[in-house]
Amino acid sequence: QKEVEQNSGPLSVPEGAIASLNCTYSDRVSQSFFWYRQYSGKSPELIMSIYSNGDKEDGRFTAQLNKASQYVSLLIRDSQPSDSATYLCAVNPGGSQGNLIFGKGTKLSVKP
Amino acid sequence: DVKVTQSSRYLVKRTGEKVFLECVQDMDHENMFWYRQDPGLGLRLIYFSYDVKMKEKGDIPEGYSVSREKKERFSLILESASTNQTSMYLCASSTDDISGEQYFGPGTRLTVT
Repeated sequence: QKEVEQNSGPLSVPEGAIASLNCTYSDRVSQSFFWYRQYSGKSPELIMSIYSNGDKEDGRFTAQLNKASQYVSLLIRDSQPSDSATYLCAVNPGGSQGNLIFGKGTKLSVKP
Repeated sequence: DVKVTQSSRYLVKRTGEKVFLECVQDMDHENMFWYRQDPGLGLRLIYFSYDVKMKEKGDIPEGYSVSREKKERFSLILESASTNQTSMYLCASSTDDISGEQYFGPGTRLTVT
């Protein structure tokens, strides 16, 4: 059974701090990794994709991938109250016809 | 801009009714997916389709069927709605390249009474 694990939270950080969200996955041959943001009552929105080991930065967001440790993380710098949401980690295992395996999400709360 | 639309944001149906949920994407994506999302259970895949008239069962297909007659449209059918099908239903689409990026519609909150 291919799995993606996330700490459910809630993770609470003060405004302006760095929020660190973590995800581990079980399928060693996974090829693509994604972070989605989901506001309460809304649908998931793709915010970051990462395909190779290392860091990928996009504005205040940095995705980090370590395939040897089967670990992917999302850092949010200068966190804002508008970043308060549930963050879903998703993994594309090889040969899955595009199916993603989703974690259950980490709820982030940024306090003003 | 990526666009996936769903026929209704909110829907209330009675037990035993046949329910149709429609999803349309304008990105010429090959793959389309139907999920349901429930508190504490996360996203669960119901059915997916990787081509017109093709369908594959996901993790929880019981009580559901799907139809894909055109590339841009993927319908989810609840043959006889039951209260345990009350949920948020999410449609997504993706290309068939190696990346697998999925884009979601706004969701349909279905209540079965």
